[in-house]
Amino acid sequence: GQSLEQPSEVTAVEGAIVQINCTYQTSGFYGLSWYQQHDGGAPTFLSYNGLDGLEETGRFSSFLSRSDSYGYLLLQELQMKDSASYFCAVRFNTGGFKTIFGAGTRLFVKA
Amino acid sequence: GAGVSQSPSNKVTEKGKDVELRCDPISGHTALYWYRQSLGQGLEFLIYFQGNSAPDKSGLPSDRFSAERTGGSVSTLTIQRTQQEDSAVYLCASSPGGSGAEQFFGPGTRLTVL
Repeated sequence: GQSLEQPSEVTAVEGAIVQINCTYQTSGFYGLSWYQQHDGGAPTFLSYNGLDGLEETGRFSSFLSRSDSYGYLLLQELQMKDSASYFCAVRFNTGGFKTIFGAGTRLFVKA
Repeated sequence: GAGVSQSPSNKVTEKGKDVELRCDPISGHTALYWYRQSLGQGLEFLIYFQGNSAPDKSGLPSDRFSAERTGGSVSTLTIQRTQQEDSAVYLCASSPGGSGAEQFFGPGTRLTVL
């Protein structure tokens, strides 16, 4: 079956750097996405990795290693508004591109 | 342009009743997804539509759940004979093409089954 694992909670201070890891087990793996969700809001797309390596988008970067079935989201210069849940999502090809989401990592940013 | 819209935003129903949830995807997006999210939990995949292909229904939890997509645009998720465990936020997302790498989510429908 398909599964993803990510930490349930991470706490960091404003201005710091935090890394949220995601490991997955899936067949037909195609890519790894990251989404942010604030309380009461809808998930919003942050980043996608289809190939190994680092993708950088402003303060957010995402990394993928297909050989290790592992990826991470890196948030730099943390701000209070970054307090939210972060989900990794695996896209895999089963004749169509299906996506499954991890359980989410709750990030608490403290002053 | 307009984003993904869902209606109703909130739905309270009695156990055993049927409910219909609607999703209007972003115009031109060929892929449409339905997910379910219980409080404090991740997103549970329900069903995926891509163009005119047969939908991937592998995530539907029981035969009480069904969905259709008319004209390659609007989608309706129907839950028959609702149960209390169906209470959750139902999220719809769309993406251009079948890649699904970046999905655009609607605000969700919060379903409460009494």
